[in-house]
Amino acid sequence: GQQLNQSPQSMFIQEGEDVSMNCTSSSIFNTWLWYKQDPGEGPVLLIALYKAGELTSNGRLTAQFGTTRKDSFLNISASIPSDVGIYFCAGQARDYGGSQGNLIFGKGTKLSVKP
Amino acid sequence: GAVVSQHPSRVICKSGTSVKIECRSLDFQATTMFWYRQFPKQSLMLMATSNEGSKATYEQGVEKDKFLINHASLTLSTLTVTSAHPEDSSFYICSARQGWGNQPQHFGDGTRLSIL
Repeated sequence: GQQLNQSPQSMFIQEGEDVSMNCTSSSIFNTWLWYKQDPGEGPVLLIALYKAGELTSNGRLTAQFGTTRKDSFLNISASIPSDVGIYFCAGQARDYGGSQGNLIFGKGTKLSVKP
Repeated sequence: GAVVSQHPSRVICKSGTSVKIECRSLDFQATTMFWYRQFPKQSLMLMATSNEGSKATYEQGVEKDKFLINHASLTLSTLTVTSAHPEDSSFYICSARQGWGNQPQHFGDGTRLSIL
């Protein structure tokens, strides 16, 4: 089945540094989503991308839908302590019937920020 | 907008008990709801997908008689873990999606289920 490779697995950074993480796939997606999950809570949607090449920002977060439709990255600028958490990418493709398929999740990037 | 409420947030019960978890979309109509299971330090594993008024579609390896899903209205889906055992202990998360197009899934806050 489809799989997403998300890297890095974890990051330890200093407050104020920029962060970059990415997801790659062997197959094409038509939607890329980035979520953040805090301990004991459900994932919260950060950015949704619907078009190859699309670059979208949400405050200090920027994400891009790769032109090959097989990858996406998320950047966080000037990190702050509350950025700590696990970030998941998720891809979605249409199934054979043309309907939206299920979300395929990456394994997550655990971000730790040192004040 | 796009708030999904999941209840209860935590359940501790004895082996053999059946446990019901509710998932509600508070400010939108959820054409499709999803149930996931998450083990510690791992990603989300899809268990089943349900469309309002239809039978749920279960992923391979998920026992439909064990995990009963009901999606009776456009704002409510329930997951019942029947005759729960310690190996069913996990973090269960629901999500909801509006419409049939590209709308993203919005997640509830999860239910921590502990079976003694």
